Order: sequence, then structure tokens, then C-alpha cells
Amino acid sequence: AQTVTQSQPEMSVQEAETVTLSCTYDTSESDYYLFWYKQPPSRQMILVIRQEAYKQQNATENRFSVNFQKAAKSFSLKISDSQLGDAAMYFCAYRDMNYGGSQGNLIFGKGTKLSVKP
Amino acid sequence: AAGVIQSPRHLIKEKRETATLKCYPIPRHDTVYWYQQGPGQDPQFLISFYEKMQSDKGSIPDRFSAQQFSDYHSELNMSSLELGDSALYFCASRSRDRNEAFFGQGTRLTVV
Repeated sequence: AQTVTQSQPEMSVQEAETVTLSCTYDTSESDYYLFWYKQPPSRQMILVIRQEAYKQQNATENRFSVNFQKAAKSFSLKISDSQLGDAAMYFCAYRDMNYGGSQGNLIFGKGTKLSVKP
Repeated sequence: AAGVIQSPRHLIKEKRETATLKCYPIPRHDTVYWYQQGPGQDPQFLISFYEKMQSDKGSIPDRFSAQQFSDYHSELNMSSLELGDSALYFCASRSRDRNEAFFGQGTRLTVV
């Protein structure tokens, strides 16, 4: 079974600095999707960034970028120029590609709580 | 842009009662997922539907059932509620030609 591990329960960063959140996963599949979701105090789950495993190029969305190392099964999130609004719980998630009738549900890590200091 | 709508946002029930949670997916999204997030926990997959048919089943208790209707909205029915059912219940929807799922704001269920 696929698993997702986030080894940093909590992280802290100074405003305007850069922080990297770690995520590793385990799967026997060669094609899959990886995501980072943000959950602020409102508890809304917000998609931050996604990566298709078949793409070698690391995904980037404005201040957010990933370092995807497929062989190492590592998928870290880098937040540049951190802002107070970035403070939230960040979940790394894995999804299989659709096989047969399966729609590929998300498997989440335990999350990393990010604090941003002014 | 339209988002996933869940109702109610908050629900308080007593033990052994029944609760029904509703989810209205983003228009033209053909897949719906239900997740349960306990306090301080990561979301756990319960069940999913594709084109109104049950697709996958996760850690959904036998006391829970769900269905997707002809208008694509979905309902999660929870019976014989227990204190441990208190959680945030998310619905997410996805279009088959897209990789990402979009989440509703969740229903916070409190069982007392």
C-alpha cells in the first residue's frame, strides 16, 4: 500500500525568508500524482501545487516550488519570500493514476504545521 | 468560479442519532470523494463515486452509507453516531480530465 511520510511535525520561518517542507512516499507504481495542500486555521483544504510523476521538470506556482526526486521518492515544497498568510498546516498527498474503475483517492501525510514569524 | 458546496457547515448530534451530510460538486465534475479528518489528524478517505456509481471504498464504517444522485450531488448518511465520529467531513470533486481534486469547506460534526 502507498504511504506518505512528513517527518517535520512543525516548522518555523521568518517573514520574507525561504523554508522547505519535506515529504517522502512509498509506492510500487511508476505513474502517479503528488500534491501539496494547505490547510489554514479556517480548515479549508487548498491546493498549493501538483506534480505528475512522468514529468521530470519540477512544478512551480509563484512563490511555491517543489523538488521532485522520483528515484528517491521525495517531494519537498519550497516556499520563497514567506508571508504571514502562509502560516498553515501543509499536507503532502499522493494519488494513483486511474486504473480500471478506480478514481484514485488521495493519501495524505500527517502534515507539517508552518509558523511564520514577523 | 464555482466551488464545492457542503451543507450543513456545522452539525451537532447526540449519540445514536443519525446525520446526513450533503455535497454539491463543481459543475461538470464527475468524481466525488468523501474524507474524514479527526482533530489533529490528516484526512482519511471514506468513499468515492464516479458518474453516480460507487468507485472506491476506504475506511468507512458499516454505519455509514453514501450515494450520488442524478444531479451529481452526494450525501453521506451516518447512523448510530458515536462520540468518535466527531470530525471534519470533507467532500472533494474532480473532473476526469484533470489531476487535482478540489475540496469543499467541510462539515464539522460534533457528537455529544
